[in-house]
Amino acid sequence: AQSVTQLDSHVSVSEGTPVLLRCNYSSSYSPSLFWYVQHPNKGLQLLLKYTSAATLVKGINGFEAEFKKSETSFHLTKPSAHMSDAAEYFCVVSSGAGSYQLTFGKGTKLSVIP
Amino acid sequence: GAGVSQSPRYKVAKRGQDVALRCDPISGHVSLFWYQQALGQGPEFLTYFQNEAQLDKSGLPSDRFFAERPEGSVSTLKIQRTQQEDSAVYLCASSLGGGARGGELFFGEGSRLTVL
Repeated sequence: AQSVTQLDSHVSVSEGTPVLLRCNYSSSYSPSLFWYVQHPNKGLQLLLKYTSAATLVKGINGFEAEFKKSETSFHLTKPSAHMSDAAEYFCVVSSGAGSYQLTFGKGTKLSVIP
Repeated sequence: GAGVSQSPRYKVAKRGQDVALRCDPISGHVSLFWYQQALGQGPEFLTYFQNEAQLDKSGLPSDRFFAERPEGSVSTLKIQRTQQEDSAVYLCASSLGGGARGGELFFGEGSRLTVL
């Protein structure tokens, strides 16, 4: 069984300040972890993924995430928020050999204040 | 097309009506997935196709839900005798390879179903 917990349903930051979106996972097997972003009326877009290579993963638009097995966490960060970052962010886990099912968290809505 | 295309984007149905939602995946993509996203929730897995074969339908909520991909490209999700709890956004995603692990899923914009 696998699950994802996004610790904040809503995060609000000022433009130019750091972003931290928190995610904890539970998995019976070595997981693959993803962050997806969903802008209003747009399809989900992959930000970054971890698949057992480097624990610090860099993604698009300046986002990165660190896989910490001891803490079962995969938090998403960005040094400086931009207005265009305002969106819903989903932490996602996939586990098991050849697993194709993605398990999504409930999402964190990021607001950026000008 | 360049991305995954879904139609209709919005559908309002009266309770008890049948609906059909269409997904056009990226050309050449082997895998196709359907997810259901209720309001305020993350998407939940419904079913998975590899080419025309439906390999997993364990996420379909009831036997009123049926999905097909007869020629291994376009897929249709059909919901019979719709109920209010079926109201959600239905997302389609495709992937070049045979599974999601390590491979990027490309999502469509979704079909928002409202059942009155």
